[in-house]
Amino acid sequence: AQKVTQAQTEISVVEKEDVTLDCVYETRDTTYYLFWYKQPPSGELVFLIRRNSFDEQNEISGRYSWNFQKSTSSFNFTITASQVVDSAVYFCALSRIKAAGNKLTFGGGTRVLVKP
Amino acid sequence: DVKVTQSSRYLVKRTGEKVFLECVQDMDHENMFWYRQDPGLGLRLIYFSYDVKMKEKGDIPEGYSVSREKKERFSLILESASTNQTSMYLCASSWRTAPSPLHFGNGTRLTVT
Repeated sequence: AQKVTQAQTEISVVEKEDVTLDCVYETRDTTYYLFWYKQPPSGELVFLIRRNSFDEQNEISGRYSWNFQKSTSSFNFTITASQVVDSAVYFCALSRIKAAGNKLTFGGGTRVLVKP
Repeated sequence: DVKVTQSSRYLVKRTGEKVFLECVQDMDHENMFWYRQDPGLGLRLIYFSYDVKMKEKGDIPEGYSVSREKKERFSLILESASTNQTSMYLCASSWRTAPSPLHFGNGTRLTVT
């Protein structure tokens, strides 16, 4: 069975602080995909990144960066110099490579509140 | 841009009522999904469909059914609503090829009284 754990339920920071969201996963598969989604107050989940288990290179996109460590089964997400617009719930998710219908297993989510 | 539209943003229903949640996508995606979102539990898959008239149970299908008569439309049905089905319901769609990202609607917040 697959499982995704986001231990932090809520993080509150002041604007311009960095914030790191933890994601730990469990799977018996040797190959898989990991995702991060953002859910702003409007409710619609927005896809941020997809990473396959073959690629352990860290990735940076603007103020967002992701640290994938297969050895510790973690796929952490850092927002650098946070802004109020980053306030949202963030979900980490796991998918099998050949998941029928692209089924995702989601973590419980981390609510990020960025105060001005 | 992909558009996934859920027919209602908020719904209030009574216990025992039959409830229909509708979802339409405009990208010709093969796959469509219904998730429910509850605090601390994240998103849990109720049902998904990978083609017209095809459906598979997700992790929590009990108390729900689905219908996909047309490719663009995926309906979630609560045969007899109960208070423990009060939740946020999210519809999503994707291409068939794994692992295509899911595109989500804005959600329907259902309250069963």
